[in-house]
Amino acid sequence: QQQVKQSPQSLIVQKGGISIINCAYENTAFDYFPWYQQFPGKGPALLIAIRPDVSEKKEGRFTISFNKSAKQFSLHIMDSQPGDSATYFCAASKGGFQKLVFGTGTRLLVSP
Amino acid sequence: GAGVSQSPSNKVTEKGKDVELRCDPISGHTALYWYRQRLGQGLEFLIYFQGNSAPDKSGLPSDRFSAERTGESVSTLTIQRTQQEDSAVYLCASSPQTGTNSPLHFGNGTRLTVT
Repeated sequence: QQQVKQSPQSLIVQKGGISIINCAYENTAFDYFPWYQQFPGKGPALLIAIRPDVSEKKEGRFTISFNKSAKQFSLHIMDSQPGDSATYFCAASKGGFQKLVFGTGTRLLVSP
Repeated sequence: GAGVSQSPSNKVTEKGKDVELRCDPISGHTALYWYRQRLGQGLEFLIYFQGNSAPDKSGLPSDRFSAERTGESVSTLTIQRTQQEDSAVYLCASSPQTGTNSPLHFGNGTRLTVT
């Protein structure tokens, strides 16, 4: 049973635009929601993470919006750059552990 | 220092053979995780080691899969009698301690192809 649903599967954004990736989860026990960025041939790297006690977290051009009642969270990349072209994964875990449940990924292409 | 190191980077094996995948975590990291990434899919949790505690093996897909860790260093993931559905990238990650206050540091993975 897939517990974290991610959309879209792929996304093309022009340079300078806003990239938005959405995730929905089912398990209300989840209490940690990270986003990972993965370049081809590399392992994923933590980008930004949020806990359910806040509705938004911003780090530079990256923002997570969290809607606890809707069980949804999203990643916004402002002023998208070609170097942001990568696959992005949302994930969730519970109980303070890193036993993460991942979404299926979004392949982002930022056109110059 | 160096990041998480995995070897081999690529492995092609025949169906039915056993394979061993190695992970060298970042020095001093007590927690070590194995994940599997199938083509076009997200990562699946396989197993987790934390210090001298019993490992969490709840993600291992079958008894053909096993993993060991020597103290707080090297870990080996073994797949016996490989099947074609085992083809995937196997990722290892480590973190300084358990808990979500410590981010996971992933290696670049071992790409396993079973023919």
